[in-house]
Amino acid sequence: QQQVKQSPQSLIVQKGGISIINCAYENTAFDYFPWYQQFPGKGPALLIAIRPDVSEKKEGRFTISFNKSAKQFSLHIMDSQPGDSATYFCAEAGGTSYGKLTFGQGTILTVHP
Amino acid sequence: DADVTQTPRNRITKTGKRIMLECSQTKGHDRMYWYRQDPGLGLRLIYYSFDVKDINKGEISDGYSVSRQAQAKFSLSLESAIPNQTALYFCATSDRPNQPQHFGDGTRLSIL
Repeated sequence: QQQVKQSPQSLIVQKGGISIINCAYENTAFDYFPWYQQFPGKGPALLIAIRPDVSEKKEGRFTISFNKSAKQFSLHIMDSQPGDSATYFCAEAGGTSYGKLTFGQGTILTVHP
Repeated sequence: DADVTQTPRNRITKTGKRIMLECSQTKGHDRMYWYRQDPGLGLRLIYYSFDVKDINKGEISDGYSVSRQAQAKFSLSLESAIPNQTALYFCATSDRPNQPQHFGDGTRLSIL
């Protein structure tokens, strides 16, 4: 049973646009929320992560926004580029799942030139 | 050389066969994980090991077994493969809880 729900399943964005992927979690004991990026034929790789004591974390064009009261967090990709085309997974860990990641269903992002 | 190496990269086999997927790492991490990826379902945890003497079932362990031969090696076995085990399998490592997991490039397994 997956406890983190990710949407949308797929997303098409024009070059230069903003890509937004959302995740909702259930267990308030979770305290680590990473995002992974996966290119075809490769394993997922950590993109950016956040802990619930902050509401936003930015690394370059990638930003995580965290809404603790709504139990939601989202990934924003600014100035999206064709090279950002990949599958993105949110994940959660903490509480009784300490040290284990539970992944969302994934979002296939396509950025058109 | 890759830090996390999975072999084989692709495998096609028949129902009922025993299959072993191997994972080796050069990162020196104690924690190792096996995941299965299916379209629309994300990655689901099969088994995990926090050190050589520690083996734990994950979310979907039925039909699978594992062996931690050394800190650097963690193998996944399908004792009697069935078609619904057709999937992409990933091994991952980490050095501490809630720290980045480092993934191999996966094994694509097809069971006919």
